[in-house]
Amino acid sequence: KAGVTQTPRYLIKTRGQQVTLSCSPISGHRSVSWYQQTPGQGLQFLFEYFSETQRNKGNFPGRFSGRQFSNSRSEMNVSTLELGDSALYLCASSLTTRRMNTEAFFGQGTRLTVV
Amino acid sequence: QKEVEQNSGPLSVPEGAIASLNCTYSDRVSQSFFWYRQYSGKSPELIMSIYSNGDKEDGRFTAQLNKASQYVSLLIRDSQPSDSATYLCAVSAGDSSYKLIFGSGTRLLVRP
Repeated sequence: KAGVTQTPRYLIKTRGQQVTLSCSPISGHRSVSWYQQTPGQGLQFLFEYFSETQRNKGNFPGRFSGRQFSNSRSEMNVSTLELGDSALYLCASSLTTRRMNTEAFFGQGTRLTVV
Repeated sequence: QKEVEQNSGPLSVPEGAIASLNCTYSDRVSQSFFWYRQYSGKSPELIMSIYSNGDKEDGRFTAQLNKASQYVSLLIRDSQPSDSATYLCAVSAGDSSYKLIFGSGTRLLVRP
């Protein structure tokens, strides 16, 4: 069974640009979550999608957005990039029950560097 | 502020010893608890999940949960140098939230 696939693996962008990251979950998983990991702040929750609906959102500015498609694949977008957006962006997929998600499995991440 | 606390370490143990990693959390209604291992430059890898009070064993790993004390731990028996990594404790936010709150991680060093 294929794992969570994130593309691209590495990105270098200039301040002010925008970027789109992609995530394909494990087959059969309909919940996709995004996290940002930095040395200073650790792993922080960005948002979670299920059936094309955002169910939960973290404390990030509106420049961070996401969406999910009918095949459960998800994208996240960051507009007007700032130097502080340099981070490892991780996508995780989960099975979901009515009340909660089960184990979350992470992709390899996209390393974004803003210069 | 809902938080997950871990000692940052490093926790240094000799090869073959038991490594004990601890985590406390503040949200009393959290229902799901996870341990992830992260090697430098890699993404987190799920090691254990635990949902009920008590112990859960999987190979050399044992997770322990005490909801009354809001405490989760991970024991690694017969530690190997390949276990050297950062171990992240993750707790679900609330009783039905789809969000995980991560601790800052404990760095484990297993000395040959």
